[in-house]
Amino acid sequence: EPEVTQTPSHQVTQMGQEVILRCVPISNHLYFYWYRQILGQKVEFLVSFYNNEISEKSEIFDDQFSVERPDGSNFTLKIRSTKLEDSAMYFCASSLTRGTTGELFFGEGSRLTVL
Amino acid sequence: AQTVTQSQPEMSVQEAETVTLSCTYDTSESDYYLFWYKQPPSRQMILVIRQEAYKQQNATENRFSVNFQKAAKSFSLKISDSQLGDAAMYFCAYRSQGGSEKLVFGKGTKLTVNP
Repeated sequence: EPEVTQTPSHQVTQMGQEVILRCVPISNHLYFYWYRQILGQKVEFLVSFYNNEISEKSEIFDDQFSVERPDGSNFTLKIRSTKLEDSAMYFCASSLTRGTTGELFFGEGSRLTVL
Repeated sequence: AQTVTQSQPEMSVQEAETVTLSCTYDTSESDYYLFWYKQPPSRQMILVIRQEAYKQQNATENRFSVNFQKAAKSFSLKISDSQLGDAAMYFCAYRSQGGSEKLVFGKGTKLTVNP
């Protein structure tokens, strides 16, 4: 069964460093998302992406964050200069259809630890 | 802004018994969707069941069913004939029907199934 895959599963970085989290969505899906979960907190929406542009972003998704789909298969989340509070589990998701009924398929997550 | 509350951080059930996980939400919208996602340990979040707010009939998927009380803004998940494989973190989530496509999650309930 097709699934969303994420790499790395765990990354440790120093504060101020750039981090790229990678996702391979399900191949025929058109809508892509990043969510994150800080330890002990709720899963929070970061950004949605369709047709090579951001369709929606949360207030968390500030100028330190960016997303792109560089080669038609990968979907990446870049954090330009990591802060301690960026430590979290980051989940990628994809969907075949937009909107409220489109079922989201999630990856296993990438755990980011910022020291 | 919408919020989702899961008041039970942890629940346990005996194998073959029935368990109900609670979820309440707050919204001023009349049309929306509600979801239960399951995340087994170290695995992806997968959709368990979905409910459209305009439907009065409660959704069911095999051993999983919901009790949707729109006026009370309550959306509980009932798992019948619990199996060891049901052990997981369960997340309740809300999504608007129009406009924003983000999922708003509760904090989750960790379900343990005892043999």
